[in-house]
Amino acid sequence: DTGVSQDPRHKITKRGQNVTFRCDPISEHNRLYWYRQTLGQGPEFLTYFQNEAQLEKSRLLSDRFSAERPKGSFSTLEIQRTEQGDSAMYLCASSSREAPNEQFFGPGTRLTVL
Amino acid sequence: GQNIDQPTEMTATEGAIVQINCTYQTSGFNGLFWYQQHAGEAPTFLSYNVLDGLEEKGRFSSFLSRSKGYSYLLLKELQMKDSASYLCAPQAAGNKLTFGGGTRVLVKP
Repeated sequence: DTGVSQDPRHKITKRGQNVTFRCDPISEHNRLYWYRQTLGQGPEFLTYFQNEAQLEKSRLLSDRFSAERPKGSFSTLEIQRTEQGDSAMYLCASSSREAPNEQFFGPGTRLTVL
Repeated sequence: GQNIDQPTEMTATEGAIVQINCTYQTSGFNGLFWYQQHAGEAPTFLSYNVLDGLEEKGRFSSFLSRSKGYSYLLLKELQMKDSASYLCAPQAAGNKLTFGGGTRVLVKP
């Protein structure tokens, strides 16, 4: 049984570059969530999908951020023109139809913008 | 919006009991989660309360009072491996979780 996986685990980039992260949820989990976490803080909700539909986006998600889940399985989160303030851990979580309330988190992608 | 308040840090001795309180104000409430997060790792699910009262699961118990906007996580028979951050997360409509800043628990021998 594989859990939620995320790729890459670490990403270092220069300010102004674009980055893309991938999340593979637990198989057959229909809901997928993206969160961002900075040091010493709890995760902050960014967006979530039910199947391929993006149902909610946080106001934290500026126009530079875009997320997709084209086939209702894996998801990508892209950040364009990265800024130093984007440095954080980006966490993905998924939940099932049977237990929609229980979210399982992936290991996260740590982004450092220089 | 949501306001979540939990202590920043707590220290306890191995074998002891620690209670982490969480108060919240939220527009729309489905239930409340507690997650454990070790440094550098992803949060892992501990408990989920929907109804008022105490839910016991081994050494960990969680309590909820919906009318008071209050929850606590009780850790019994503390072990060194319990040193971690504990995140209180009320759930609004749409299954979105809003996390508090977390309580860092340090277990000393």
